[in-house]
Amino acid sequence: NAGVTQTPKFQVLKTGQSMTLQCAQDMNHEYMSWYRQDPGMGLRLIHYSVGAGITDQGEVPNGYNVSRSTTEDFPLRLLSAAPSQTSVYFCASSYSGLGARSTEAFFGQGTRLTVV
Amino acid sequence: GQQVMQIPQYQHVQEGEDFTTYCNSSTTLSNIQWYKQRPGGHPVFLIQLVKSGEVKKQKRLTFQFGEAKKNSSLHITATQTTDVGTYFCAGPYGNNRLAFGKGNQVVVIP
Repeated sequence: NAGVTQTPKFQVLKTGQSMTLQCAQDMNHEYMSWYRQDPGMGLRLIHYSVGAGITDQGEVPNGYNVSRSTTEDFPLRLLSAAPSQTSVYFCASSYSGLGARSTEAFFGQGTRLTVV
Repeated sequence: GQQVMQIPQYQHVQEGEDFTTYCNSSTTLSNIQWYKQRPGGHPVFLIQLVKSGEVKKQKRLTFQFGEAKKNSSLHITATQTTDVGTYFCAGPYGNNRLAFGKGNQVVVIP
């Protein structure tokens, strides 16, 4: 069982470039999310989705777009990369993210992004 | 801002000793989850607590959920080098958001 697969694992971008971080899960989970992890800041929620066709903003959404056309895939797009977006990005999925019914989150291996 | 606060942020623990890490929420939580992230790795789910005052054990790890469901703790006994890593708590907030604390980075001294 592959679980949550993120690609690429490492990426270097120049300021102003755009790119898409890929995330796919094969567990038929409804809830998917993107976090960024910076030293001393923990995991901060960028965007999340409660099902295909439904997305919403998290704590730090500026500079990022998402879409959820299928249950399996939840790509994260950086529109115009900035050095402040240098971070480790994690995609996660869970059976449910809904409040009292929130369940265990499965994380991908992460994407280490550097913007120069 | 961060809805879940963790203390301490860093701990150096002698191998064989016990330690505790704490998690506090500004609001009542329906449940709380704990994760562990090894250096260079990704967060891995440890446990979920749901009931007020709940206590769960996993070998040397003891998890507690406060009576008011606003705080939680993780206590590890007889620390081993394999316990190194960052421990996160997380709770559901607002519209279907899972908010993580900043984590407690644990270094084990052999």
